Amino acid sequence: GQQLNQSPQSMFIQEGEDVSMNCTSSSIFNTWLWYKQEPGEGPVLLIALYKAGELTSNGRLTAQFGITRKDSFLNISASIPSDVGIYFCASGTYKYIFGTGTRLKVLA
Amino acid sequence: DAGVTQSPTHLIKTRGQHVTLRCSPISGHKSVSWYQQVLGQGPQFIFQYYEKEERGRGNFPDRFSARQFPNYSSELNVNALLLGDSALYLCASSVTSGKGNEQFFGPGTRLTVL
Repeated sequence: GQQLNQSPQSMFIQEGEDVSMNCTSSSIFNTWLWYKQEPGEGPVLLIALYKAGELTSNGRLTAQFGITRKDSFLNISASIPSDVGIYFCASGTYKYIFGTGTRLKVLA
Repeated sequence: DAGVTQSPTHLIKTRGQHVTLRCSPISGHKSVSWYQQVLGQGPQFIFQYYEKEERGRGNFPDRFSARQFPNYSSELNVNALLLGDSALYLCASSVTSGKGNEQFFGPGTRLTVL
């Protein structure tokens, strides 16, 4: 099935470091959603973006809807051990396409 | 407030059998979507139902079917199970805000086909 391209695929970082990940598509979308998924659980919605250029924050998380409408970025500031998990981007309208995921591990 | 609930949490079936998975959306949400998540991949869209009508279907065979009930809960049915149907099946309920459509996921049903 069709998927969005996320990078990096995985990352190991030290506690307190900032994290950046992105998601790209060959198609233009009107909505970008960012989710976090932990083992054995469903994805949890972190941030929703609806307008090109939009920058939205949720605590230590900040996401941006790319100007070209073909990409989005998620930043996590001052990472902590509980940030560990898989981060997915999703885009679409009612039928969402998901990215391949970025696996984040935080070293205390 | 109760989130999206799914049942059962785990299920083991053998090839050729049939399975029914259930989902209750967040109160006030009229739309339910189903996704399949194979280990190591992102969720793949199967169906969306809105107001009891199928609104969209992903690239899945006719063995997969779903329906939505008057109380907006939903069932996903899979016939003639194959080994490749083993996956986490996720249900998401959504409400269209003034800006767009945010989907909230349940914990999923882990299906294992032997």
